Amino acid sequence: AQTVTQSQPEMSVQEAETVTLSCTYDTSESDYYLFWYKQPPSRQMILVIRQEAYKQQNATENRFSVNFQKAAKSFSLKISDSQLGDAAMYFCAYRSAMGGGADGLTFGKGTHLIIQP
Amino acid sequence: NAGVTQTPKFQVLKTGQSMTLQCAQDMNHEYMSWYRQDPGMGLRLIHYSVGAGITDQGEVPNGYNVSRSTTEDFPLRLLSAAPSQTSVYFCASRRQDSLEQYFGPGTRLTVT
Repeated sequence: AQTVTQSQPEMSVQEAETVTLSCTYDTSESDYYLFWYKQPPSRQMILVIRQEAYKQQNATENRFSVNFQKAAKSFSLKISDSQLGDAAMYFCAYRSAMGGGADGLTFGKGTHLIIQP
Repeated sequence: NAGVTQTPKFQVLKTGQSMTLQCAQDMNHEYMSWYRQDPGMGLRLIHYSVGAGITDQGEVPNGYNVSRSTTEDFPLRLLSAAPSQTSVYFCASRRQDSLEQYFGPGTRLTVT
């Protein structure tokens, strides 16, 4: 079974600064997908960014980018120019691309991101 | 287009009571799933469905039943509620050929 580990329960960053959230995962599969989800206090789950394991290029979405290191099984999220609205819980998640298994995401325990004004 | 809707938003049950959490989507998505989120934890998969009439177990299925009689609806049944089932429950759906999973707003369930 796959596991996802987020080693930072809480991170704090000054507004306009850059912050990096860490995520590592364990899998024996070669084809999979990785995601970062944001959960604000409203508790709505919002997809921030995704990465296909077969793509070497790191995904980028505006101020959000990832550092995907497949050999190291690492998938960190970098938030540039942090804004007050970025304050939330951030979850790293894994999905297998192999057929035959459960269709669902495996989540880490989350990182609580605090933005200091 | 309402997306994924869940009812109720909040519910309090006594131990041993039964209830059904409702989930509906209007996007004609084939795949639907239920997760629970406990304090300090990420979401964990309870049950999922890859189409009408097809359901299967996820990581934490004990104490829950599901059925999928239509593409739109995927209810989650608690047969005999226990305090360990106090949690926030999320329903999600996606197209078979898409990576993006759409989540409902969640139901906060308390079992006393």
